[in-house]
Amino acid sequence: AQSVTQLGSHVSVSEGALVLLRCNYSSSVPPYLFWYVQYPNQGLQLLLKYTTGATLVKGINGFEAEFKKSETSFHLTKPSAHMSDAAEYFCAVGKRNFGNEKLTFGTGTRLTIIP
Amino acid sequence: DAGVIQSPRHEVTEMGQEVTLRCKPISGHDYLFWYRQTMMRGLELLIYFNNNVPIDDSGMPEDRFSAKMPNASFSTLKIQPSEPRDSAVYFCASSLRDRLPKKAVDTQYFGPGTRLTVL
Repeated sequence: AQSVTQLGSHVSVSEGALVLLRCNYSSSVPPYLFWYVQYPNQGLQLLLKYTTGATLVKGINGFEAEFKKSETSFHLTKPSAHMSDAAEYFCAVGKRNFGNEKLTFGTGTRLTIIP
Repeated sequence: DAGVIQSPRHEVTEMGQEVTLRCKPISGHDYLFWYRQTMMRGLELLIYFNNNVPIDDSGMPEDRFSAKMPNASFSTLKIQPSEPRDSAVYFCASSLRDRLPKKAVDTQYFGPGTRLTVL
């Protein structure tokens, strides 16, 4: 079985500060890992994904995430927060044997940017 | 390109009524997913289809819920009868998988969701 834990349901950072959103996963097989962003009243949009190869993955809007197998983590970072980054962020894990047909999502982290 | 289209965007109904949510996936995509999002349970996968065939409906909460995909460009999620605890945002997503290389990983594209309120 797979599971995802996002530490911190709410995170607030000042504009220009580092953004760090934490995600730990549990999977019996090497996972596929994803970060999605959800803006108010919209569907989820893929930020980035890790499948294989380079463990540091760059995504859209200046975000990146690093897959650390030893820590079973896939934390999302952005060096400098912008007001437009305010949204809810979801980490997800997919089953490797089946591509990503079944994703298990974390409970989400709401990011607030302080002017 | 048009993304995943869902209708209606908002639905308010009374307990006991039938509710039908609609989804048009991205053209050419071969997987379609229905999710439910609530504050208490987060984002849950209800059911998914591959080439219009239901593959896994283990997330469907009760027999009151049913989903169909009569063709590659249309799917419905029906709740009959509806109950207040069904109030949630329902998302449809689609992806292109079968024509990718074997080890490639597809991306799910989400629609804007339908916010359902059952009074």
